[in-house]
Amino acid sequence: DAGVIQSPRHEVTEMGQEVTLRCKPISGHDYLFWYRQTMMRGLELLIYFNNNVPIDDSGMPEDRFSAKMPNASFSTLKIQPSEPRDSAVYFCASSLRTGRGNTIYFGEGSWLTVV
Amino acid sequence: AQTVTQSQPEMSVQEAETVTLSCTYDTSESDYYLFWYKQPPSRQMILVIRQEAYKQQNATENRFSVNFQKAAKSFSLKISDSQLGDAAMYFCAYSSGTYKYIFGTGTRLKVLA
Repeated sequence: DAGVIQSPRHEVTEMGQEVTLRCKPISGHDYLFWYRQTMMRGLELLIYFNNNVPIDDSGMPEDRFSAKMPNASFSTLKIQPSEPRDSAVYFCASSLRTGRGNTIYFGEGSWLTVV
Repeated sequence: AQTVTQSQPEMSVQEAETVTLSCTYDTSESDYYLFWYKQPPSRQMILVIRQEAYKQQNATENRFSVNFQKAAKSFSLKISDSQLGDAAMYFCAYSSGTYKYIFGTGTRLKVLA
């Protein structure tokens, strides 16, 4: 079975440019999560969706970040304008609620470098 | 608020030996889930093992097992017969019914040949 698929794997962009990260969750999963990982802050939950609806976006750092999930098989995380401090690995993850709790499965991550 | 603490930033183990990684957590919930994830240099987060708090029995997955002490709020990971491919960052994680995961800061495991 295909896992969570993220693109691009690596992105280097200049400060001020728009960055769009993409995610395809595992088919049938009803939760989708966006995480950011940095050395300083570790793994941070940015936002999560349930059945394509954003449930909690309290982790989104500021208005420059936005996330959408137009359908069950696709989500985007957009940064506009990007800044050097946005450099991090961004993970998408998905899970299926199975009555009691859940296990989330991560994609391979998108390495973002803003210069 | 729930917290997850991994007090060992780095551990080393000789190939074929056994190593235990520590994790403690704090919560007022009675029903929750605990996980260990492995992150190799490729950076992908790979689920190693999962424990449900309502289960008394410790979870095992091949060479990986946990020692879950609910009263002590402790959740350690034991890796038996360590292999070079086990070298990675290991993250302990907590999740309750909110579906939010809380991750520890990680333990870097080095496996010595």
